[in-house]
Amino acid sequence: AQSVSQHNHHVILSEAASLELGCNYSYGGTVNLFWYVQYPGQHLQLLLKYFSGDPLVKGIKGFEAEFIKSKFSFNLRKPSVQWSDTAEYFCAVNPYSSASKIIFGSGTRLSIRP
Amino acid sequence: DTAVSQTPKYLVTQMGNDKSIKCEQNLGHDTMYWYKQDSKKFLKIMFSYNNKELIINETVPNRFSPKSPDKAHLNLHINSLELGDSAVYFCASSLKPAGGPYEQYFGPGTRLTVT
Repeated sequence: AQSVSQHNHHVILSEAASLELGCNYSYGGTVNLFWYVQYPGQHLQLLLKYFSGDPLVKGIKGFEAEFIKSKFSFNLRKPSVQWSDTAEYFCAVNPYSSASKIIFGSGTRLSIRP
Repeated sequence: DTAVSQTPKYLVTQMGNDKSIKCEQNLGHDTMYWYKQDSKKFLKIMFSYNNKELIINETVPNRFSPKSPDKAHLNLHINSLELGDSAVYFCASSLKPAGGPYEQYFGPGTRLTVT
């Protein structure tokens, strides 16, 4: 079955530390890839997305993600986190063969110490 | 100018009751979705409608019935509520079914608590 794995359930960092959140998916075909963020008490918002072209995509608030097809991965990175980045981060995959469906990972809770 | 709105934001009810959650989008999108987010934050799709036609119907108890009167609205009716239905329900919309560069826009969520 198609699935999305986010290995880190809870990450705790200090401000200015670098961030990398892992995301792997199990699907051999073409995919669209997303990272969404959910700030405390708020709805999900799109951070960035990959459909084709340059595998390194840049999103809002200084986030970026790299699609490595051979590793079925789409890891999220930020060179220097801020307290305001405290949130839940969700990786999501849309397989081309399941045109209407986006499969979400279980999320990674990011806590930033001021 | 809210893009995707849901009502109510909070819903507390007793087991066995019937309740509805409403969703409206003013983005002109063709496709709408209902997701359930459980206590562990796991987000799972329940239903999707494209131009009022059901296109995704995941393994969801038939106590849950979506209704789309027009493409700007997708309501969720739940019969005979159970304790396990307690969750946050998110509505979302996208321009087209998610088979291309069409991100989903989410509503603020409805926190349902069944006692």
